[in-house]
Amino acid sequence: QKEVEQNSGPLSVPEGAIASLNCTYSDRGSQSFFWYRQYSGKSPELIMFIYSNGDKEDGRFTAQLNKASQYVSLLIRDSQPSDSATYLCAVTGGYNKLIFGAGTRLAVHP
Amino acid sequence: DTGVSQNPRHKITKRGQNVTFRCDPISEHNRLYWYRQTLGQGPEFLTYFQNEAQLEKSRLLSDRFSAERPKGSFSTLEIQRTEQGDSAMYLCASSLEGRQFFGPGTRLTVL
Repeated sequence: QKEVEQNSGPLSVPEGAIASLNCTYSDRGSQSFFWYRQYSGKSPELIMFIYSNGDKEDGRFTAQLNKASQYVSLLIRDSQPSDSATYLCAVTGGYNKLIFGAGTRLAVHP
Repeated sequence: DTGVSQNPRHKITKRGQNVTFRCDPISEHNRLYWYRQTLGQGPEFLTYFQNEAQLEKSRLLSDRFSAERPKGSFSTLEIQRTEQGDSAMYLCASSLEGRQFFGPGTRLTVL
């Protein structure tokens, strides 16, 4: 079992819709959770982080964390074609190193 | 630009050659990480520095790999006797309070 699992996609949503991206992790000791966006050929860009159970909102993005279920999600409201990218879920391991999932490819079509 | 910088951005080398990459972190960040990313995968942790001390190395970091961070500033990652399997994007990230910010990466192609 991989430490961080994501559906590889592609997840296709129409412009203006809500995109829902999910991630599960295996280490119950993980304390911090991150979502990175990665455009093709570019490096990961931090878009959300969450440390406590519940929801955290920032603009069109909402991160949700459920430690009991070992589940993290990212909602993107009013999806735009510019949101088309790969979204990487990451959790912290020892020394706060990041353990990444393989990413979910999101395609927003006009 | 006060972000993380990496040089070179691209490196093409022949199998068996040595290569060295450089990372300049955000100036006030004391933690520095190296990752490697191959196509279709998320970044994989290679090594971690806190200031100048290398505190953790992944089992992915074979004897051919060495990393340094003299004086706790920039860091270098050297790969000796490169192999085709070393072809990947090498990413550097720096961190101050748990959040890691990545540089643009160095794409290595080993022919």
